[in-house]
Amino acid sequence: DAGVIQSPRHEVTEMGQEVTLRCKPISGHNSLFWYRQTMMRGLELLIYFNNNVPIDDSGMPEDRFSAKMPNASFSTLKIQPSEPRDSAVYFCASSPGGGNHEQYFGPGTRLTVT
Amino acid sequence: AQSVTQPDIHITVSEGASLELRCNYSYGATPYLFWYVQSPGQGLQLLLKYFSGDTLVQGIKGFEAEFKRSQSSFNLRKPSVHWSDAAEYFCAVGAGGGGADGLTFGKGTHLIIQP
Repeated sequence: DAGVIQSPRHEVTEMGQEVTLRCKPISGHNSLFWYRQTMMRGLELLIYFNNNVPIDDSGMPEDRFSAKMPNASFSTLKIQPSEPRDSAVYFCASSPGGGNHEQYFGPGTRLTVT
Repeated sequence: AQSVTQPDIHITVSEGASLELRCNYSYGATPYLFWYVQSPGQGLQLLLKYFSGDTLVQGIKGFEAEFKRSQSSFNLRKPSVHWSDAAEYFCAVGAGGGGADGLTFGKGTHLIIQP
C-alpha cells in the first residue's frame, strides 16, 4: 500500500501567484481531509469530503482557498491569490469510513509564499 | 465544539525511563480519541485510538493510553523510552457517530530524550 500521496512536497511561490496542492488518498478510503499546520495555530482542519462530496468547509480561512475532489482517487487544494501568511505545511489524510475513523496522513506539502 | 489541551509543550525524559504525556479533551458526547506521533519533516503516524470498550488501549511501538471519562483525559504512557521516541506527539478528538469527521488536535508535546 503506497499510503496517502501528496505533491509537490515543497512549493515556493511569490505572493499573488496561484498554488495548487494535490492529494491521492489510499485506495478504497471514502473520506479525505485537508489540514494545515503552523507554529502559531498548530494543526487545523480546513475541509473534508465523504464519498467525494464536501461535508464541512468551515475551516477554510478565506475565499482565496478552494478544494475539489473530482473522483475518489484525487483531490486538490488551491490558493488564489497566495499570501505570505499562507506559508505552512498542508497535510492530506484519508479514512476508510464505514465506522472506522482512523485517519492516515500523507507526508505533507511545505508551502512558502514570499 | 470539541477541544484538546496538551498542557506540556516540552518534556525531557532520560532513555529507559517511563513516560506519560497528558491530554485533556472537551466534548459533549462520547469522543473518538487518538494519539499521533510526528518526526521532523514527516507526516503524522497513528499510535493508538479509543472508540469504545476497554479504557486501556494498546498501540504501536510499546505505547498505551488510558481513557478516563471522569477526568476527560486520555494520557499516553510508555514504560521505557528509547532515543528513537524523540518526536512531537499530538492528541486528537473526533466526534462520535457513524460517519467520518475531522479531528481537532492539541498543540502537541515535544519529547526530548536524554542519553
